Order: sequence, then C-alpha cells, then structure tokens
Amino acid sequence: GAGVSQSPRYKVTKRGQDVALRCDPISGHVSLYWYRQALGQGPEFLTYFNYEAQQDKSGLPNDRFSAERPEGSISTLTIQRTEQRDSAMYRCASSLLGGAEQFFGPGTRLTVL
Amino acid sequence: QKEVEQDPGPLSVPEGAIVSLNCTYSNSAFQYFMWYRQYSRKGPELLMYTYSSGNKEDGRFTAQVDKSSKYISLFIRDSQPSDSATYLCAMSNRDDKIIFGKGTRLHILP
Repeated sequence: GAGVSQSPRYKVTKRGQDVALRCDPISGHVSLYWYRQALGQGPEFLTYFNYEAQQDKSGLPNDRFSAERPEGSISTLTIQRTEQRDSAMYRCASSLLGGAEQFFGPGTRLTVL
Repeated sequence: QKEVEQDPGPLSVPEGAIVSLNCTYSNSAFQYFMWYRQYSRKGPELLMYTYSSGNKEDGRFTAQVDKSSKYISLFIRDSQPSDSATYLCAMSNRDDKIIFGKGTRLHILP
C-alpha cells in the first residue's frame, strides 16, 4: 500500500471490554511502532517491533496493554478490560529498519464509555 | 523536568513572515532530531530530520540543532497559510524510541 493503514478508524466500546487495534505498515518496512496521542499532546511511545520481535515495550502503561506482530508485517495492539482513561488516539508508524524517519498512519480514535 | 519542552502556542504570524519554532531537551544522549508537521485530524508527517548538531535546509525550512545548549529550532521562511498546522519536535538516541514535544500550533494569517 501507499502508506500506513490502521483499522478501525474509530472504536467506541464499553468499559471492561477488550479491544484490538490493527496496523498495516508500509510494504517492506521492517520496524513498526505504536504510540498514543492525547488531545493537544505529542505522540507518546508505547512499543516497537523489528520484524516480529518486540524490541521495547517500556511505554505500555500496564499489563492490560499488549502488542504482537507474529509474521513481521501486520501488528495488533490489544487493550484488555478497557477503562475510560484508555480513551485516546492510537497511532502506528513504520520505518525501513529502525531509525528516526518514521511514517505515521491515520490513527484509531478509541472512546471508552 | 520533562525530557522535551515545547511551547504549545498558539503562534500567529502574518503571511510572508519568518517563523521560528523551538524546543529544549534534557537528555544529552539524544542524537537524532526531527520536526513533524501535523494537520488537524491527520497523523504526524516528517518534515525535517537531523543527526547531531548543525543546520539543515530544505526549501523554505531550516532546522538547527545546538547540542551544547540542548536546543533545537525550525525556521520557516516566506510562511504561507498552508503552513498552518501543529509542529512537533521529536528526538531519539540509538534505540529508536522517539520522544515528542507537545507541539506548537501555528497560524499563518493571510
């Protein structure tokens, strides 16, 4: 594809439900990143992968958050037992192999009621 | 003290003016410095990318990094209404984890 795609674009869920957010990186990009962006703030790092290996998950807020990239391409960010404070824009980015030149997707707006 | 500090603005300037945006940081290990532009309801878009200290120019945009002062700047010459957006500074060390500033909202007045 031409760019990073994310689905769904919008997700409304009830508190306590699990959600799965999907990211499809630019074809050929080895590195994939997840960020969370609150309104009026810059993106906040959550975790990243090189190929299928999770390199750094230090930004995941707690153990309700997890991410995987089993075949080194599409990635899923899962939030279990969602809470209202999880409401935010979740953004995915990819890059060729590491490096700071990352290309961002349009994001998934998560609202937890 | 936050790792990256950036004035959120808003900053309003007339069309054609030179715009100066800047960030300070505290982590001396940062080596890669970026500026992203983010239009409303869109994802951040990489604008400028600099390694270590020095200047980099690309068209109307100039990025400056002063590692001794832990200070980075983005200059926009001949500003246009289409430059109106939020500008995010960002930086990282070798581990590829990018730390973003809050972003400065810029309005170019026609």
